[in-house]
Amino acid sequence: AQKVTQAQTEISVVEKEDVTLDCVYETRDTTYYLFWYKQPPSGELVFLIRRNSFDEQNEISGRYSWNFQKSTSSFNFTITASQVVDSAVYFCALSDSYNQGGKLIFGQGTELSVKP
Amino acid sequence: DADVTQTPRNRITKTGKRIMLECSQTKGHDRMYWYRQDPGLGLQLIYYSFDVKDINKGEISDGYSVSRQAQAKFSLSLESAIPNQTALYFCATREGQNTEAFFGQGTRLTVV
Repeated sequence: AQKVTQAQTEISVVEKEDVTLDCVYETRDTTYYLFWYKQPPSGELVFLIRRNSFDEQNEISGRYSWNFQKSTSSFNFTITASQVVDSAVYFCALSDSYNQGGKLIFGQGTELSVKP
Repeated sequence: DADVTQTPRNRITKTGKRIMLECSQTKGHDRMYWYRQDPGLGLQLIYYSFDVKDINKGEISDGYSVSRQAQAKFSLSLESAIPNQTALYFCATREGQNTEAFFGQGTRLTVV
């Protein structure tokens, strides 16, 4: 079965702190794809990153970095030197081969609040 | 124009009424989705579709129905709205299993 768990419901940090958002997934497939999205207070969903199951290299994009570990079925997201503009709800998502790869399943989301 | 357009953006309706939420996309993708967002529950999949003849139930399809009128159009209906269907609804489209989804701006539905 497909499942994505984001155990951290809310996180509050002070600006310039580093923060890691956890994502744990479940799938029976060996081929699957993981995603992160950001939902700012304005409500739209913004795509951040895609990772396939065969690429375990960590990725860095500016202040954002992602750590993919198949051994622990985790795809964690770290924001370095957080800023107030990072305040948002962040979602992790999974797409595997079930039903021709049609399903895209999201976690519960983590609400990040960055205080000045 | 937005790639994925949802109408209406906000709607208040009464219990028992039928309501339709509409979604259209200009991405040319075959796959379309309807999600519901509730605080603390994330985005839950209601229905998804590969094309006009291939529609699949998601995790929370009870109380909802959909219609794929064309490749670009995917509508969600609440046959008899109830208050616990009050939520933010998102439509999305994507090209394939390995690609990201593009989302509409969302429809905020309130059932009173």
